[in-house]
Amino acid sequence: EIVMTQSPATLSMSPGERATLSCRASQSVGRNLAWYQRKPGQAPRLLIYGASTRATGIPARFSDSGSGTEFTLTISSLQSEDFAVYYCQQYNNWPLTFGGGTKVEIK
Amino acid sequence: EVQLLESGGGLVQPGGSLRLSCAASGFTFSNYAMTWVRQAPGKGLEWVSGISGSGDSTEYADSVKGRFTISRDNSKNTLFLQMNSLRAEDTAVYYCAKDLSQLELRLFDYWGQGTLVTVSS
Repeated sequence: EIVMTQSPATLSMSPGERATLSCRASQSVGRNLAWYQRKPGQAPRLLIYGASTRATGIPARFSDSGSGTEFTLTISSLQSEDFAVYYCQQYNNWPLTFGGGTKVEIK
Repeated sequence: EVQLLESGGGLVQPGGSLRLSCAASGFTFSNYAMTWVRQAPGKGLEWVSGISGSGDSTEYADSVKGRFTISRDNSKNTLFLQMNSLRAEDTAVYYCAKDLSQLELRLFDYWGQGTLVTVSS
């Protein structure tokens, strides 16, 4: 199976700062990578997938880049509602796999 | 409005069985692949199993292959997960989720609130 590794595990940031989250795949997944946001007590929310396609209602401050094995999620200016855990998921191969998550916390 | 409501979780002894259900509404259920994802205490998300809209095609994580069976009843808009030979490491909140697209993109736009499965003696 494809192992997804996210870094860092925790990112301590202030509102208004730019956040950069990384996701690495153990083998190429092309552009078949998705990002989810998870807040306590809530279901995961799909943010971005494929060739930088934002899901419905996702603001433009969220963007991604990368292909193959290296991916980055960027939040251009952190808002209070963005402090959460972020997961990447590859959907190139079965079994589907998630990264371990990056927690974006308030510094 | 899309709604997914899981049920069937509970406390079960190691080696036991449980059947989870996910009642879906607000979309044409048979047109979409569905999946189960779990989250163990203090851990991240783990994909468990997926099924095509017709039910003809299924996939499993290595950790549950041979023990879990995914199925669906499109006449009742319900997804199932039969879990046998349960182990302590299966303890988790189990979520059902809907595929984003009828094209079975294998990413998920709606999720239920989850049902807790605890495997312990």
